[in-house]
Amino acid sequence: GESVGLHLPTLSVQEGDNSIINCAYSNSASDYFIWYKQESGKGPQFIIDIRSNMDKRQGQRVTVLLNKTVKHLSLQIAATQPGDSAVYFCAENSGGSNYKLTFGKGTLLTVNP
Amino acid sequence: GAGVSQSPSNKVTEKGKDVELRCDPISGHTALYWYRQSLGQGLEFLIYFQGNSAPDKSGLPSDRFSAERTGGSVSTLTIQRTQQEDSAVYLCASSVLIGTSGYTEAFFGQGTRLTVV
Repeated sequence: GESVGLHLPTLSVQEGDNSIINCAYSNSASDYFIWYKQESGKGPQFIIDIRSNMDKRQGQRVTVLLNKTVKHLSLQIAATQPGDSAVYFCAENSGGSNYKLTFGKGTLLTVNP
Repeated sequence: GAGVSQSPSNKVTEKGKDVELRCDPISGHTALYWYRQSLGQGLEFLIYFQGNSAPDKSGLPSDRFSAERTGGSVSTLTIQRTQQEDSAVYLCASSVLIGTSGYTEAFFGQGTRLTVV
């Protein structure tokens, strides 16, 4: 079946640096993508989303880039802070009548002070 | 509260026993998901309810797993004859579907940590 995967399972950055977390998806029919942040002992929390008719979307300190040509999604975090340390998941939705989210494995981001 | 609520937060059970996990979604959310997350792993889809449609059970790992959603609100995930490999965090999420083409984020509960000993 279709799946969403991540290039990097772990990422360690220094406080203040920019972080880039990558995600590859394989379902060309997917039309909606979400990034979630999961802190230890908590459920995933929404960070930012993007629809397939967009290439870029910005939030507060975060930017999501979508490259449909190569089926690649990335999350950029500006001026990374210790509080950004968490597991980050990308998720895709293939639309249609299902709207079921499929999640990737996750990337553990560690921010060093 | 206004969020997704799951109970119990922790459950320890003996191998072979049945367990029931409960999820109270956000009021008005028509879609409800169950996911399983093993230690250090991603989210494994289990089952999906959407309004009055037949649930998508394609992620249930065996016939020991079942779920129901009563009255379009509260959902119960039941695991019969639990095995040690069932130990994981079980996450519930809900979302609201807007129209026939809209979609919104899924809101997650804190999860139930199940330990089978």
